[in-house]
Amino acid sequence: GEDVEQSLFLSVREGDSSVINCTYTDSSSTYLYWYKQEPGAGLQLLTYIFSNMDMKQDQRLTVLLNKKDKHLSLRIADTQTGDSAIYFCAESGGSQGNLIFGKGTKLSVKP
Amino acid sequence: EAGVTQFPSHSVIEKGQTVTLRCDPISGHDNLYWYRRVMGKEIKFLLHFVKESKQDESGMPNNRFLAERTGGTYSTLKVQPAELEDSGVYFCASSRFRDSYTDTQYFGPGTRLTVL
Repeated sequence: GEDVEQSLFLSVREGDSSVINCTYTDSSSTYLYWYKQEPGAGLQLLTYIFSNMDMKQDQRLTVLLNKKDKHLSLRIADTQTGDSAIYFCAESGGSQGNLIFGKGTKLSVKP
Repeated sequence: EAGVTQFPSHSVIEKGQTVTLRCDPISGHDNLYWYRRVMGKEIKFLLHFVKESKQDESGMPNNRFLAERTGGTYSTLKVQPAELEDSGVYFCASSRFRDSYTDTQYFGPGTRLTVL
């Protein structure tokens, strides 16, 4: 079946790097996504990676994909207090593009 | 460009009552999705509209849930009668292209439903 797993909590100090990990099961997923949810807000697409890529970098964000192990990670460099949020990993599981999400990782950034 | 909006932001109802949630997608977006997050669990897909047609409703939990998208614009999700396990946050998302497998889904802020 389709399943996306991620750790529930991560705490880092301001200025450090954060690494949020995710594993997925559907090897046919074409795209994998990271969404961010700030308190009281909707889901904001942070970045995505095509399944034939190993890495994608976008400013402070680096996405690494290990397709063999079905492992996805999101690295946030120089983490700021404004990065505190819940981060969801998602894969494009459905035939019409519906997303399959993990439970979300709550990132807490301490000053 | 206005984002996806949802109404209400919060709803508290008693078991057995009816609630209707509304989603206004981004103007011009053909695809509209409903998702739900029950406390502490994953965000789960409920259904997908392409314009006014239901493309995939495989995630709908049971026949107490009815979704409509008359005219292919806004959508409503009605829960009747509501049960305790229906509590959660209901998200709506929209994307532009009908046939695009990868087009970005833009999410609304969600409706938090509490059934007492």
